[in-house]
Amino acid sequence: NAGVMQNPRHLVRRRGQEARLRCSPMKGHSHVYWYRQLPEEGLKFMVYLQKENIIDESGMPKERFSAEFPKEGPSILRIQQVVRGDSAAYFCASSPASGVDEQYFGPGTRLTVT
Amino acid sequence: SQKIEQNSEALNIQEGKTATLTCNYTNYSPAYLQWYRQDPGRGPVFLLLIRENEKEKRKERLKVTFDTTLKQSLFHITASQPADSATYLCATHTGTASKLTFGTGTRLQVTL
Repeated sequence: NAGVMQNPRHLVRRRGQEARLRCSPMKGHSHVYWYRQLPEEGLKFMVYLQKENIIDESGMPKERFSAEFPKEGPSILRIQQVVRGDSAAYFCASSPASGVDEQYFGPGTRLTVT
Repeated sequence: SQKIEQNSEALNIQEGKTATLTCNYTNYSPAYLQWYRQDPGRGPVFLLLIRENEKEKRKERLKVTFDTTLKQSLFHITASQPADSATYLCATHTGTASKLTFGTGTRLQVTL
């Protein structure tokens, strides 16, 4: 019974490149959340998705960031033209239902922009 | 705006004692509050959830209280062990949206 899977675990990108972060939710979970954790800061919500739908993207920067959760395959968080300030740990979480249940987190992807 | 605060200073206690961590929130009324544990380099792990109409919740050595008048939750670990050393995060949910709002966490260090 695999938990939430994220890959890659570590990602190094040069300024201006694109970063693609992948998340496979727990089996049976159809709700996916992305959070970002900057050094010495708390987890900040970015986006909430269900299959083929973005439900809440109020935490996503307006430019360069996008997310999707296709009918088949993992959820993808895409960061275009990365800058040094994008360096952070990005966590994906999933839940079987909306709102009420606890969220199950993956191990995170640590993005370093050089 | 919604604000959730945890003591940013590390809490150091001796093995066997009870650790008490505090979470305060302002400017909103969460429908429920959750506590997570996070170890270095890992994702948060869910521990306990308490709803606004519940005063107290227990799970093994863990106990959580929720005081909506004080706008505060207390998280207790009894008979603490070195393996309990980690950062503990509280998170709130308003009930109208699925996103969680996290505190910055309190690092607990349990020594022999």
